[in-house]
Amino acid sequence: DAGVIQSPRHEVTEMGQEVTLRCKPISGHDYLFWYRQTMMRGLELLIYFNNNVPIDDSGMPEDRFSAKMPNASFSTLKIQPSEPRDSAVYFCASSYDTQYFGPGTRLTVL
Amino acid sequence: AQSVTQPDIHITVSEGASLELRCNYSYGATPYLFWYVQSPGQGLQLLLKYFSGDTLVQGIKGFEAEFKRSQSSFNLRKPSVHWSDAAEYFCAVGPPRAGNMLTFGGGTRLMVKP
Repeated sequence: DAGVIQSPRHEVTEMGQEVTLRCKPISGHDYLFWYRQTMMRGLELLIYFNNNVPIDDSGMPEDRFSAKMPNASFSTLKIQPSEPRDSAVYFCASSYDTQYFGPGTRLTVL
Repeated sequence: AQSVTQPDIHITVSEGASLELRCNYSYGATPYLFWYVQSPGQGLQLLLKYFSGDTLVQGIKGFEAEFKRSQSSFNLRKPSVHWSDAAEYFCAVGPPRAGNMLTFGGGTRLMVKP
C-alpha cells in the first residue's frame, strides 16, 4: 500500500490567496483526520470524518477553514483567505483501528 | 476527560545507551495506546500499539513498550540507542475501535550524543 498521500508537499502563497490541501487515505480506512502542527501549539486536530461524513469540526480555527470528503478516497482542506498565522505543517491521517499519517504539507503564507 | 502526559520534553542519551521514554495517561476505560515517532521534516510514523493481551509489546526499530494498568503508564524502551533514533516521540491514547480521536501527549524530543 502506498500509505496516506498528501499534495502538495510544500506550498508557498501570499496572504489573501486561497489554499487547497489534498489527501488520499489508505484504501479500506473509514476515518480521516486533518491535523495542524506548529512549534507553538504542537499537534492540533482540526476535523475528522467517518465514512465521508464530518463528525467533529470543533478544531477548525475559523470560518476561513473548510474541509470536504466527497468520496472514500479523497479529501480536501481549504483555507480562504489565507493569513500568515496559518503557516504550519498540515497532516492528514486515516484509520480503521490505527491512525496512519501522511507526510504532511508545509504551508507558508507570506 | 482523557489526557496524556509525557513528563520529559527533552532527553539526551549517548549512542549505545538504553532509553526509556515515559508516558502517563488518564482514561475512563481500557484504552488503546500508541507510540509514534516523527523525524525532522517527516510525518508521524507508528512505532507500536497496544490493544489487549500481552502487556509488553514489540514494535519496529527495536522499540518495545509496557502497559502498566496500575500505574496508568505506557513507557517506551530501547536497549541500545542509535544515532538515527534522534527524533520526537509521541504517546497517544484512544478508545477501542480507535485510532479515532486520539489524544496525544506533548512529545519528547530525543537527542543522541555520539
